[in-house]
Amino acid sequence: GAVVSQHPSRVICKSGTSVKIECRSLDFQATTMFWYRQFPKQSLMLMATSNEGSKATYEQGVEKDKFLINHASLTLSTLTVTSAHPEDSSFYICSAAGQGAYGYTFGSGTRLTVV
Amino acid sequence: AQSVTQLDSHVSVSEGTPVLLRCNYSSSYSPSLFWYVQHPNKGLQLLLKYTSAATLVKGINGFEAEFKKSETSFHLTKPSAHMSDAAEYFCVVSDPGGYQKVTFGTGTKLQVIP
Repeated sequence: GAVVSQHPSRVICKSGTSVKIECRSLDFQATTMFWYRQFPKQSLMLMATSNEGSKATYEQGVEKDKFLINHASLTLSTLTVTSAHPEDSSFYICSAAGQGAYGYTFGSGTRLTVV
Repeated sequence: AQSVTQLDSHVSVSEGTPVLLRCNYSSSYSPSLFWYVQHPNKGLQLLLKYTSAATLVKGINGFEAEFKKSETSFHLTKPSAHMSDAAEYFCVVSDPGGYQKVTFGTGTKLQVIP
């Protein structure tokens, strides 16, 4: 079956630094990738949708200059949290869709803690 | 627009008794529906999915859900709760086609009492 790999699983960074999270489709070509965020004790909310080779589409209220999404190949999308602050601490998870795989195929998530 | 409503934020059951987690959906199309489980500090695990085939869907770990169009519901059930079932459960909806974003419900926290 379709597998999505996400790294790192946990990351702690200092306030003001940037963090990159990778999402890879291991056995299929992901034409579309989705990035979600989950604040403590809350549900998961879509942040942005990226199509390979195109600019990402961000949901209302998500700062595109802060959350940089790159989807340069059919197997890799990255989310970079720039100038991270403690309020960016959250659980970030990606999903991927493409031939043979659907948008409900999720990575294992990344728990970001900004100190 | 698609949405799901999870009717209970917390459900508490005794070990060995049935589990019922309720979910109602709203969609302009015939939706795809899913249930995921998230254990503390873990990722998402797909329990089961409905994608317009049989209305009674069997999933992993003894869970099942029934799609009822007339009631716009997709409730999750299990005959006998185990301690290991204690977790957060999310009902999720997607427009058909598969290559779509999904929308999560607000989650139901299941507590299992020994």
